[in-house]
Amino acid sequence: EVVMTQSPATLSVSPGERAALSCRASQSVSSKLAWYQQKPGQAPRLLIYDVSTRATGIPARFSGSGSGAEFTLTISSLQSEDFAVYYCQQYGQWPPLTFGGGTKVQIK
Amino acid sequence: QVQLVQSGAEVKKPGASVKVSCKASGYSFTDYYIHWVRQAPGQGPEWMGWIKPNSGGTHFAQMFRGRVTMTRDTSISTVYMEVTSLRSDDTAVYYCARVTPVGIIDYWGQGSLVTVSS
Repeated sequence: EVVMTQSPATLSVSPGERAALSCRASQSVSSKLAWYQQKPGQAPRLLIYDVSTRATGIPARFSGSGSGAEFTLTISSLQSEDFAVYYCQQYGQWPPLTFGGGTKVQIK
Repeated sequence: QVQLVQSGAEVKKPGASVKVSCKASGYSFTDYYIHWVRQAPGQGPEWMGWIKPNSGGTHFAQMFRGRVTMTRDTSISTVYMEVTSLRSDDTAVYYCARVTPVGIIDYWGQGSLVTVSS
């Protein structure tokens, strides 16, 4: 099973600033990596898949990068609606699909 | 538009069973596998398994084998997930999700909270 590790657990950022979230896989997942955003009381929402492809309707301030086992989600200029928890998920070696423990982006 | 609508919250005692439903609409029901993912309070999502709607074939994560079943009713585009022998650590929000053939979760249900408490 591929273990996904996210850091930091919590990131405090001021609106308008840039945020970089890290995700590491215990082994290579090639480019099979997705990011999801989850707000309180809601289901996760697909943001990015295949490392860097934005899902439908996702604004350009969200970008993804990386390959193999190290990945980054960058939010270029945080808006109020971006404060949420973000999860990475690998689909390079499954089943099982596996998720990271999440990074909470909160207002500084 | 694609929608996955789940049944409501449940409160169960330890040792009981719970069955959660997920009704799909807005796409061809048999074209996509439906997966189930659960999320305990304050934790990341945990993948449970999938059902193939056209054949009813299933596959489960190791830790759920023998305790989870998934079924479907194609006439009403609905899948069901049942967990037996509930324990307190089964308390979680259970999500159904539409997954692409490569493993991308593109749509999620709204979630069904299952609370296990004596």
